[in-house]
Amino acid sequence: DTGVSQNPRHKITKRGQNVTFRCDPISEHNRLYWYRQTLGQGPEFLTYFQNEAQLEKSRLLSDRFSAERPKGSFSTLEIQRTEQGDSAMYLCASTPTGAGTDTQYFGPGTRLTVL
Amino acid sequence: KQEVTQIPAALSVPEGENLVLNCSFTDSAIYNLQWFRQDPGKGLTSLLLIQSSQREQTSGRLNASLDKSSGRSTLYIAASQPGDSATYLCAVYRGGSYIPTFGRGTSLIVHP
Repeated sequence: DTGVSQNPRHKITKRGQNVTFRCDPISEHNRLYWYRQTLGQGPEFLTYFQNEAQLEKSRLLSDRFSAERPKGSFSTLEIQRTEQGDSAMYLCASTPTGAGTDTQYFGPGTRLTVL
Repeated sequence: KQEVTQIPAALSVPEGENLVLNCSFTDSAIYNLQWFRQDPGKGLTSLLLIQSSQREQTSGRLNASLDKSSGRSTLYIAASQPGDSATYLCAVYRGGSYIPTFGRGTSLIVHP
């Protein structure tokens, strides 16, 4: 069990550019979540997948954001036409499924800075 | 809409003190509650998960309690150590939902 991994760990981009982040969950974890966290705040839910199906998406997630989990394993989060307000830490978490197994395991995050 | 509040926002204590961190939530129809630790610039590490049918969970020097009727949870840290310095977050799962709502956290500093 190598834990949840995220790449890259840091990303600096200019406003208007597109960026893509990757998350590799713990093997055989069916549920995968994406969150955004800004300084002094708790993680804010963006979207989650059950296997390859994207089951819920936050209303806060604009059309510039898209996430995929094509084979039910790793996931990508893409932000198009980045804005300065997108600067944040993007966190991924995975959970196994089954009764009483809702513990979320988080990755180290990708810190995005939009100049 | 579920709202989660954590008090205090920040805490600085000398080593060895026993601590109580508080988490309150507005909707008592929760499924479970989870406490996390977050070190600066890092992801979150799960500390304790309390199912809605449980009253408390313990792990080492940590004890978390849950009172659904009053919408409160407390995290008790015994004999605090400098290595406990971190931000502590609670997350609440509403019944029927797999989406947690997080508080803003309590930033803890334990100085030698």
